[in-house]
Amino acid sequence: QSVLTQPPSVSGAPGQRVTISCTGSSSNIGSDYDVHWYQQLPGTAPKLLIYVNSNRPSGVPDRFSGSKSGTSASLAITGLQAEDEADYYCQSYDSSLSGVVFGGGTKLTVL
Amino acid sequence: EVQLVESGGGLIQPGGSLRLSCAASGFTISNNYMSWVRQAPGRGLEWVSVIYSDGSTYYADSVKGRSTISRDNSKNTLYLHMNTLRAADTAVYYCARSTWPGSDLDYWGQGTLVTVS
Repeated sequence: QSVLTQPPSVSGAPGQRVTISCTGSSSNIGSDYDVHWYQQLPGTAPKLLIYVNSNRPSGVPDRFSGSKSGTSASLAITGLQAEDEADYYCQSYDSSLSGVVFGGGTKLTVL
Repeated sequence: EVQLVESGGGLIQPGGSLRLSCAASGFTISNNYMSWVRQAPGRGLEWVSVIYSDGSTYYADSVKGRSTISRDNSKNTLYLHMNTLRAADTAVYYCARSTWPGSDLDYWGQGTLVTVS
């Protein structure tokens, strides 16, 4: 069981908006540690999508956005496209584990 | 250009050991925080270990006592030694870079598959 909790799957039609939640605790997100998001396409390594809660690396479309509040964070994807179909992971740091923690991953299906 | 290239995976018998390598280019590993992250078939990402720029090391409970993370600064290469391997260690192992303990993992290697069977 992952330290950070994500829904196993979300889906949406092309053009729609979906959100993926990431819930932590007082030893990670709630301790003001940043949340980062990764996109993993089948058979490839994870790719950084959002860093420090809401920042996009160069080249990531502004359809992707992140937010954080309290012990939770969210990834929003607007204007869904077929190529967005992938697994998405949140990541933070946990002081009680002295290490990186991931969410269990969310599979996005574009209908 | 930053690049991370893992090697050393393969088929290992239960109880055996291995050494994974991660050759870095485009930056200096000793100035960064370098992690190993693994992904079992069909499963999510699991952080395994990290070595800080000051040489401090930390491990996930699942590998603590069986694993050693290290680096060779002259070769700019990261290593992960694992022993007493078990079926649950079967996974693709990625190395990844971060700039401090709580930061994002901004660069990842392509991964190397370890199969314990």
